[in-house]
Amino acid sequence: DAGVIQSPRHEVTEMGQEVTLRCKPISGHNSLFWYRQTMMRGLELLIYFNNNVPIDDSGMPEDRFSAKMPNASFSTLKIQPSEPRDSAVYFCASSLGGAGTGSIKLFFGSGTQLSVL
Amino acid sequence: AQSVTQLDSQVPVFEEAPVELRCNYSSSVSVYLFWYVQYPNQGLQLLLKYLSGSTLVESINGFEAEFNKSQTSFHLRKPSVHISDTAEYFCAVSESGAGSYQLTFGKGTKLSVIP
Repeated sequence: DAGVIQSPRHEVTEMGQEVTLRCKPISGHNSLFWYRQTMMRGLELLIYFNNNVPIDDSGMPEDRFSAKMPNASFSTLKIQPSEPRDSAVYFCASSLGGAGTGSIKLFFGSGTQLSVL
Repeated sequence: AQSVTQLDSQVPVFEEAPVELRCNYSSSVSVYLFWYVQYPNQGLQLLLKYLSGSTLVESINGFEAEFNKSQTSFHLRKPSVHISDTAEYFCAVSESGAGSYQLTFGKGTKLSVIP
């Protein structure tokens, strides 16, 4: 299995531009998570999907952030408009199971390093 | 709500020396505990986990962690480290109940193994 695939690996953009991050979870996994990693705040959960349905988006920082999962094999995280404080590494993770399992084993992608100038 | 505190942000240690990475958690309910490892330019990987039963859990590459409920700790140890252990280590906690899906991570400890 190829694991969780994220694209792009690096994204450099200017303030105000739209940014779209992409994720392909492991085949068969029914839970998908988007995390943001910064030096100051560490790893923060942005949004959690189960069976393609957003279950918890309370971590999405602002309306500028949106996430979709149109099918079991693809998810996007969009920032519009982007701001310098959005600069971070964004990770997508998937797992088998979901709410109720508790004993979560997350499989992480390699992340997207976003720099907003 | 849970929280995780990793007491050391960086730990340098000489090769073949022992190491302990400290983790304390706070929760009002029963928890599951995890250690994840992040190698440079990679995503996190599960290293080991405590769900129930024996309080001492081990990984395949020689790490072990012990769940101490009274001290609310889950410290990670290895008796002899290798250069390849250089990475960032994250402690994480989740509630051990129905409906739980949220992993709360600590801020990480960077382990640097010195030749």
